[in-house]
Amino acid sequence: EVQLVESGGGLVQPGRSLKLSCAASGFTFSNYYMAWVRQAPKKGLEWVATISTSGSRTYYPDSVKGRFTISRDNAKSSLYLQMNSLKSEDTATYYCARIGVDYFDYWGQGVMVTVSS
Amino acid sequence: DTVLTQSPALAVSPGERVTISCRASESVSTLMHWYQQKPGQQPKLLIYKASNLASGVPARFSGSGSGTDFTLTIDPVEADDTATYYCQQSWNGPWTFGGGTKLELK
Repeated sequence: EVQLVESGGGLVQPGRSLKLSCAASGFTFSNYYMAWVRQAPKKGLEWVATISTSGSRTYYPDSVKGRFTISRDNAKSSLYLQMNSLKSEDTATYYCARIGVDYFDYWGQGVMVTVSS
Repeated sequence: DTVLTQSPALAVSPGERVTISCRASESVSTLMHWYQQKPGQQPKLLIYKASNLASGVPARFSGSGSGTDFTLTIDPVEADDTATYYCQQSWNGPWTFGGGTKLELK
C-alpha cells in the first residue's frame, strides 16, 4: 500500500523558514517524480514544486520560485520542502504527492503551515 | 498560465446523473485529470488523461473531452459522493487546477 506521511508543519513568523518532510513507503520511491501541492484554507489546490527521480531537475511556479526548494533522499525514501522568506499567503495545508507520469496519483494526508506574527 | 474554469457548486438527488464541467483557457490536449476531495481529507485521483478510470474508482465515474472542454460524469450519484471535485491539466506548464466544484446531495 502506498503511504505518504508529511511532517514538519506549524506556526512560523513572516520572513522565517520551515522545512517539511514526507516519508514514503509501499513503492519504489526512486522510480517516481514527486511533488508538493498546497491548499490555502477554504481555497483550491496549487502546485508548488516537482522533483525528478534523481533529484537533478526541479520545477516551481513563479509564486514560490527562489524561496522554496524541493529535494529528496532516495536512500531514505523521503521528500523535503525547504521554505524560506515565508509570507502570510503561504499559509496552507501542504500535501506530498506522487506523480504518475502526468498526474498526482497518490497524496499524503497533508501538514498545516501557518505564517503569522 | 492555463486557467481552468469550473462551476462552483451543484446539488443533485441520489440516483440522478450529474455532469461536472471544466473549461480550459487554451488547449490541454487530453492531459486533463479529475480529483475528489471529501471534507477534511486529501484529494484522491478519479480520472486521468481525460477518460481513464483510476484504480479502485467505481465505474459510476467517467470522464470525457479533449482540447478545452471536459466533463466528469457520475451516474448514478450516491450519498457518499458529497465532495469537491477538481480538474487539473498537465499539458502546459505550470500544472494548474480548477477552482473546484462542490457537489451536494439533496
